Amino acid sequence: DGGITQSPKYLFRKEGQNVTLSCEQNLNHDAMYWYRQDPGQGLRLIYYSQIVNDFQKGDIAEGYSVSREKKESFPLTVTSAQKNPTAFYLCASRDFNQPQHFGDGTRLSIL
Amino acid sequence: KNQVEQSPQSLIILEGKNCTLQCNYTVSPFSNLRWYKQDTGRGPVSLTIMTFSENTKSNGRYTATLDADTKQSSLHITASQLSDSASYICVVILSSGNTPLVFGKGTRLSVIA
Repeated sequence: DGGITQSPKYLFRKEGQNVTLSCEQNLNHDAMYWYRQDPGQGLRLIYYSQIVNDFQKGDIAEGYSVSREKKESFPLTVTSAQKNPTAFYLCASRDFNQPQHFGDGTRLSIL
Repeated sequence: KNQVEQSPQSLIILEGKNCTLQCNYTVSPFSNLRWYKQDTGRGPVSLTIMTFSENTKSNGRYTATLDADTKQSSLHITASQLSDSASYICVVILSSGNTPLVFGKGTRLSVIA
């Protein structure tokens, strides 16, 4: 089945630690996105990539980094500079002019 | 500022009853509007997509309406089922811009027996 796979489902971060969230898609979509979801808030865009080897900052990119070395993969690193990383992180991909397909998210918590 | 407001914030209904969720937006330039369903702990799944010229679109027991003049959309759920319990998110897509999706905060629907 085609889809988006995010891993791990749950992740814990210690103070001062960087952690990387995985996002893989086999839908052959060019565009991929990372969102952050906090309780009672709408999804907020962290980073997006419209093509391999290119990515752009979204509305809340500070404290995060991404790479897009392969079409299928768009990992997100939450760095120690992100002071409030506890949230539900959603990855999405999209074909031109079609709705985004979302993964099932990674819940990140601070130890 | 581009905004999408959803109401109510949360809703509890009895199984088998109908309900309507509202979405008001101040977004320009408008391209289309989408409703997503998000089960707890899962990613959102697209329910309907409506362009500027469409007034109504159905997907099974879900019917979305769009009034582009008043910038309002609604999602009507008929004969609710326990599995309809989820958050419903209204998303408006701009026709231009690098970050064209504007998300509402969602309505949390609970269907009880």
